[in-house]
Amino acid sequence: GQQLNQSPQSMFIQEGEDVSMNCTSSSIFNTWLWYKQDPGEGPVLLIALYKAGELTSNGRLTAQFGITRKDSFLNISASIPSDVGIYFCAGPPLGGSRLTFGEGTQLTVNP
Amino acid sequence: DGGITQSPKYLFRKEGQNVTLSCEQNLNHDAMYWYRQDPGQGLRLIYYSQIVNDFQKGDIAEGYSVSREKKESFPLTVTSAQKNPTAFYLCASSSWDRVAKNIQYFGAGTRLSVL
Repeated sequence: GQQLNQSPQSMFIQEGEDVSMNCTSSSIFNTWLWYKQDPGEGPVLLIALYKAGELTSNGRLTAQFGITRKDSFLNISASIPSDVGIYFCAGPPLGGSRLTFGEGTQLTVNP
Repeated sequence: DGGITQSPKYLFRKEGQNVTLSCEQNLNHDAMYWYRQDPGQGLRLIYYSQIVNDFQKGDIAEGYSVSREKKESFPLTVTSAQKNPTAFYLCASSSWDRVAKNIQYFGAGTRLSVL
């Protein structure tokens, strides 16, 4: 099946630092989704992107749909302890309806 | 409140036993999904259903079964044929709305362990 390569796998940062993570695919995607999963809970949608080049913000979070349609980026500014969790990218490949998920980026924020 | 309810939160299975995980949604979504999540890994699709009385196998359907008799409900049975059932199970649903059809909303999950 389709695969999404998400990096980095884990990040350990200090409170107040900015964070960047990305997702790449060998296939074209027509939608990019970013989810956050708190420990022991289900993923929650953070940002949805529908157009190549689109840049969308949600509070301190900003995500971009890559121009090539094969990648996406998520940035978190001024991190706080509650940002801790696993961040997943996801999307349906062009022509598909099933979501493909990245392996996730585990974020740890030290106070 | 609209949402997806999974129950129970924790479940224990004995050897040779079938167990059923419940998933109910009141979002009026057409499609529902079951995923398995192992520690440190992403989500793997077990089964999905796009309409009542119809469902398709995902990537890891062996040892699992589902039914979709009502739009709101999509229970997952972990059968005794599933030899490594210990995992976190997530149910999701999505609308067939043209814009939002790719967005899946998740329940809080069920953690299944083997006794």
